[in-house]
Amino acid sequence: ELKVEQNPLFLSMQEGKNYTIYCNYSTTSDRLYWYRQDPGKSLESLFVLLSNGAVKQEGRLMASLDTKARLSTLHITAAVHDLSATYFCAPLTQGGSEKLVFGKGTKLTVNP
Amino acid sequence: KAGVTQTPRYLIKTRGQQVTLSCSPISGHRSVSWYQQTPGQGLQFLFEYFSETQRNKGNFPGRFSGRQFSNSRSEMNVSTLELGDSALYLCASSWAGGEKLFFGSGTQLSVL
Repeated sequence: ELKVEQNPLFLSMQEGKNYTIYCNYSTTSDRLYWYRQDPGKSLESLFVLLSNGAVKQEGRLMASLDTKARLSTLHITAAVHDLSATYFCAPLTQGGSEKLVFGKGTKLTVNP
Repeated sequence: KAGVTQTPRYLIKTRGQQVTLSCSPISGHRSVSWYQQTPGQGLQFLFEYFSETQRNKGNFPGRFSGRQFSNSRSEMNVSTLELGDSALYLCASSWAGGEKLFFGSGTQLSVL
């Protein structure tokens, strides 16, 4: 059974600083998604990482995937308040019926 | 293009009652997945339907059931409600499953 571990679960950082969120998963998966959720809102897709070594960037966020290490990272560069949200990683299970398995989420608070 | 629509947005029920939640996927999407989100357990997969057939199921008791209609709209039903069923229930759609999920705003269920 695919298990997903995100860390940290809570992250408080100052504007302008850099930080990385880590997503480890327990079994083989060659596709991983990152989502963002604002309080009281639904999930918004950020990135789809489709292969080993994949790197995607959008604004101040950059995501990468290492399928051999079963690790994905979400790097935040020069954080701004608007990035405050909860971020989820979700690798796709393989073999048979596929489904996304979500991590517990990282609640990011960016302080002025 | 309309997004994923879930109704109702909020629901209050008492223990022992049953409840039906509705989800209309994005036009053309044939896969509908349901997730339960709670502060303690995070996002947990309930089931996925594709072309009116349940294709995948999570580890929830039989009180949780669902179905999909020929127009891809989906309903989930929870019978004999328990306090622990209080959660945000999210529906997500995709073209065929296994790719990016588009989430609805969710139904917030409170069981008293």
